Amino acid sequence: DAGVIQSPRHEVTEMGQEVTLRCKPISGHNSLFWYRQTMMRGLELLIYFNNNVPIDDSGMPEDRFSAKMPNASFSTLKIQPSEPRDSAVYFCASSTLANEQFFGPGTRLTVL
Amino acid sequence: RKEVEQDPGPFNVPEGATVAFNCTYSNSASQSFFWYRQDCRKEPKLLMSVYSSGNEDGRFTAQLNRASQYISLLIRDSKLSDSATYLCVNSGGSNYKLTFGKGTLLTVNP
Repeated sequence: DAGVIQSPRHEVTEMGQEVTLRCKPISGHNSLFWYRQTMMRGLELLIYFNNNVPIDDSGMPEDRFSAKMPNASFSTLKIQPSEPRDSAVYFCASSTLANEQFFGPGTRLTVL
Repeated sequence: RKEVEQDPGPFNVPEGATVAFNCTYSNSASQSFFWYRQDCRKEPKLLMSVYSSGNEDGRFTAQLNRASQYISLLIRDSKLSDSATYLCVNSGGSNYKLTFGKGTLLTVNP
């Protein structure tokens, strides 16, 4: 079975550009999470969806960040405009409620 | 105080050694505890859950001390393939929101 799929795997962009990260959760999982990982702050939860509805977005750093989940098999995380401090690895994870979270391979974002 | 604190290491041990990692958490309402493993430039993966009674999975033993808000992971007879970062995780009182420590880097040397 395919695990969580993320694209792109690597993204290099210039400051001010819009960045869109994509995620396909594991089929049948009703919870989806977006995380950001940096050396300084470790792994941080940005937003959590349950049954396609955003439940907790308290980790979204600021208005430049937005996330959507239009259906059970697709989610996007958008940064507009991007800044160098957004450089990080962004992980998407999915689970059935209260069970193990399965992580995707991540998107390594570099904002110049 | 950080929600989940770990010794960042690095721990460098020879093959066959026993190594122990410790972790403290601040949220006394936490219900669930886990150890995740993350290989270099890879995603985190669940290593094992941690139960109040302590639990063992082969060479790995996890223990929880709720009174001291302390979690441990013991690796016996370490292998080269155990080299990774080990992340201490708790649920922080909710059934979905996982809080991750920054991880402890382990390198097992031949």
